Amino acid sequence: AQTVTQSQPEMSVQEAETVTLSCTYDTSESDYYLFWYKQPPSRQMILVIRQEAYKQQNATENRFSVNFQKAAKSFSLKISDSQLGDAAMYFCACPSGNTGKLIFGQGTTLQVKP
Amino acid sequence: DTAVSQTPKYLVTQMGNDKSIKCEQNLGHDTMYWYKQDSKKFLKIMFSYNNKELIINETVPNRFSPKSPDKAHLNLHINSLELGDSAVYFCASSQRSGSTIDTQYFGPGTRLTVL
Repeated sequence: AQTVTQSQPEMSVQEAETVTLSCTYDTSESDYYLFWYKQPPSRQMILVIRQEAYKQQNATENRFSVNFQKAAKSFSLKISDSQLGDAAMYFCACPSGNTGKLIFGQGTTLQVKP
Repeated sequence: DTAVSQTPKYLVTQMGNDKSIKCEQNLGHDTMYWYKQDSKKFLKIMFSYNNKELIINETVPNRFSPKSPDKAHLNLHINSLELGDSAVYFCASSQRSGSTIDTQYFGPGTRLTVL
């Protein structure tokens, strides 16, 4: 069965510092996207960044970037210059099979300290 | 304009009641989904529809019945509500069905509390 694993239930970072959230996944697909979603206390699921698996270049969106290691099936999220508004739960997700449904990791709660 | 909207945002009801949650997307997408987020924040797919056709039905009790009147709307009706149905329900949409290279956009969620 397809799985997505986030091994860090909680992380903490000082404001303006950098933090990396880990994610590993398992898929038999050859072409796929990977996603990081942010869920603040408002509970809205917000797309942070996505990575196209066939692209070797790591995706970047402003202060957010990924470290994508396809062979290792690893997809970590780096947040630079952390801000108080980055405090949230972060979910890694991978699509499954030919249905397109997303398989989510368990989530990592990020605390940002002022 | 809101891309994916859900109503209501909060729903509090008694065990045994029947309730519905509505979802609408104005992105022009063909595919819509229902996900359930439990008390431990774990997110899991329930259903997906592509252009009004049921595509995914993930071992959900038949008390849950999705209905898609058109490709922009996907409603979730729940009969005989149980305590274990308390959760946050998310609607999402994507351009295509069955694609591993498509992005899903989520609604704001509906927090259902069954007393």
